[in-house]
Amino acid sequence: GESVGLHLPTLSVQEGDNSIINCAYSNSASDYFIWYKQESGKGPQFIIDIRSNMDKRQGQRVTVLLNKTVKHLSLQIAATQPGDSAVYFCAEGLRDDKIIFGKGTRLHILP
Amino acid sequence: DAGVIQSPRHEVTEMGQEVTLRCKPISGHDYLFWYRQTMMRGLELLIYFNNNVPIDDSGMPEDRFSAKMPNASFSTLKIQPSEPRDSAVYFCASSFLGIHEQYFGPGTRLTVT
Repeated sequence: GESVGLHLPTLSVQEGDNSIINCAYSNSASDYFIWYKQESGKGPQFIIDIRSNMDKRQGQRVTVLLNKTVKHLSLQIAATQPGDSAVYFCAEGLRDDKIIFGKGTRLHILP
Repeated sequence: DAGVIQSPRHEVTEMGQEVTLRCKPISGHDYLFWYRQTMMRGLELLIYFNNNVPIDDSGMPEDRFSAKMPNASFSTLKIQPSEPRDSAVYFCASSFLGIHEQYFGPGTRLTVT
């Protein structure tokens, strides 16, 4: 079931290549940043987070980079697989506990 | 663990009717969130609870929307009366201490005709 916008920016990547998904944020007071993945017909799923006092964090096949100077966040996925096909959201964590989601980027894997 | 459980998965109703969406968070989680997702507005936080107490309801669109959490294992989101512009997918999520690592349910797709 379709659950996200039809006009999201789309990134098409060849299977096996690395993917880089970018996100710009606006609130310099955000305490942490998070990446979520949403597959078609499902709820968002937590991938990885990074605190504002860090500039890089690595997980399994994923790396998040934070550049506070230009308010930019990126998610790198190594060796992209068909199962990585989804919409990816960056989110900002605010001091009063709630998080605000961005608009999302659709990742399309080419065979 | 079964994860966050939402019911119903799909709801079709007529304008003016009352709609109640239900959520069972993951056992032991002390935060519960209600989100709405639409093509135009993306994923919006409506309200969230901590230890069954509403903390921030600033995202609730209007008085037609209300949410309750009578105990740690159950929450409802009610729309009365419903309108066609309420059509969306409504997600419930829960978390434990780490607010940013939220576990989402499968969502309820609401269609108001």
